[in-house]
Amino acid sequence: GAGVSQSPSNKVTEKGKDVELRCDPISGHTALYWYRQSLGQGLEFLIYFQGNSAPDKSGLPSDRFSAERTGGSVSTLTIQRTQQEDSAVYLCASSKGLAALAQYFGPGTRLLVL
Amino acid sequence: GESVGLHLPTLSVQEGDNSIINCAYSNSASDYFIWYKQESGKGPQFIIDIRSNMDKRQGQRVTVLLNKTVKHLSLQIAATQPGDSAVYFCAEKTSGTYKYIFGTGTRLKVLA
Repeated sequence: GAGVSQSPSNKVTEKGKDVELRCDPISGHTALYWYRQSLGQGLEFLIYFQGNSAPDKSGLPSDRFSAERTGGSVSTLTIQRTQQEDSAVYLCASSKGLAALAQYFGPGTRLLVL
Repeated sequence: GESVGLHLPTLSVQEGDNSIINCAYSNSASDYFIWYKQESGKGPQFIIDIRSNMDKRQGQRVTVLLNKTVKHLSLQIAATQPGDSAVYFCAEKTSGTYKYIFGTGTRLKVLA
């Protein structure tokens, strides 16, 4: 596709349920990033991938959060046992590589935990 | 921890005037800076970037200035247009890492 795509665009879930958020990066982009944006706030770094490996997971808020990337393309962010404070917009970005610094963002997934 | 532009001010400018959006950063080891524009309901859009070995970079209608002495970054938008209305974020990357620290942003309102 022409840009980064994310699905679903909106997700409403009940506290305690697990959710999976998907990111399709720009074709050929080897680096992929996940961020979280709470209402009226800046972007909080969660994790990045170079290929299928995630050298830095330090931004994940808790062990309920995990992410994987297979085939060097699609990535999934999983939140287990969701809490109300997990409600936010989850943004994915990709770049040509870690050294190609400009990141291109998807539209985000709006997660609401009731 | 490190911080970049923690406040979310609002800047209102008349259409056609120049806009200057400021950002303070605290990590002197940051080697790369980016400005993003985020419209309501959309993901951030890359505007312009600058490396720490530069103090000025120009794009189309935009200029980024970097003052490492006072750890200050600014984005200048020439002849501001209604379509420039958005939240603008600065972000920094620390040398040796690929983590980006974003500020909370500045809301730009363009008045007709």
